[in-house]
Amino acid sequence: AQSVSQHNHHVILSEAASLELGCNYSYGGTVNLFWYVQYPGQHLQLLLKYFSGDPLVKGIKGFEAEFIKSKFSFNLRKPSVQWSDTAEYFCAVIVYGGATNKLIFGTGTLLAVQP
Amino acid sequence: DVKVTQSSRYLVKRTGEKVFLECVQDMDHENMFWYRQDPGLGLRLIYFSYDVKMKEKGDIPEGYSVSREKKERFSLILESASTNQTSMYLCASSLLAGGTGEQYFGPGTRLTVT
Repeated sequence: AQSVSQHNHHVILSEAASLELGCNYSYGGTVNLFWYVQYPGQHLQLLLKYFSGDPLVKGIKGFEAEFIKSKFSFNLRKPSVQWSDTAEYFCAVIVYGGATNKLIFGTGTLLAVQP
Repeated sequence: DVKVTQSSRYLVKRTGEKVFLECVQDMDHENMFWYRQDPGLGLRLIYFSYDVKMKEKGDIPEGYSVSREKKERFSLILESASTNQTSMYLCASSLLAGGTGEQYFGPGTRLTVT
């Protein structure tokens, strides 16, 4: 069965530190990949997505992610985090087939940025 | 902007009650989804629907049912609420075709069953 693994469950960083959150998926076919973010008390919202083309994807708020097909990975990065990046981050892969497409989510990574 | 709204932000119900969670989207999306979100478990798909009156089970459908009588509205029903259904419930919608599969989420309903 398809799955998404996020190995970092809880990350604590100081402001200005660099961030990398790991995401690996198990799915042999064509993939669309997503990172969603949930700020405290807010909706889950899209941070960035990979559909095709350049494997280095840039999203909102200075985030980027690199799709490495050979490693089945889609790690999220930010060179310098801010206190406002404190949130929960979810990696997701879309599974095609059947009547419609479903997103498979990872278990999430809770990021706390200390001022 | 796509807007997905959910009828309640917080709900407290008693064990055995029938519970209705309502979701409405305003972007004419064909697909609608219900998830529950629990700490350490991420988002788990309960049910989804790709058309009016069409529904399919997700990964954890037990104890739940759904209804989609109109394209913009997708309801989650807990026939007889139990304490293990205490959770955050998220509704989402997406295009059936022509998009990248991106889902748009509502604000969530935090349900407590006592």
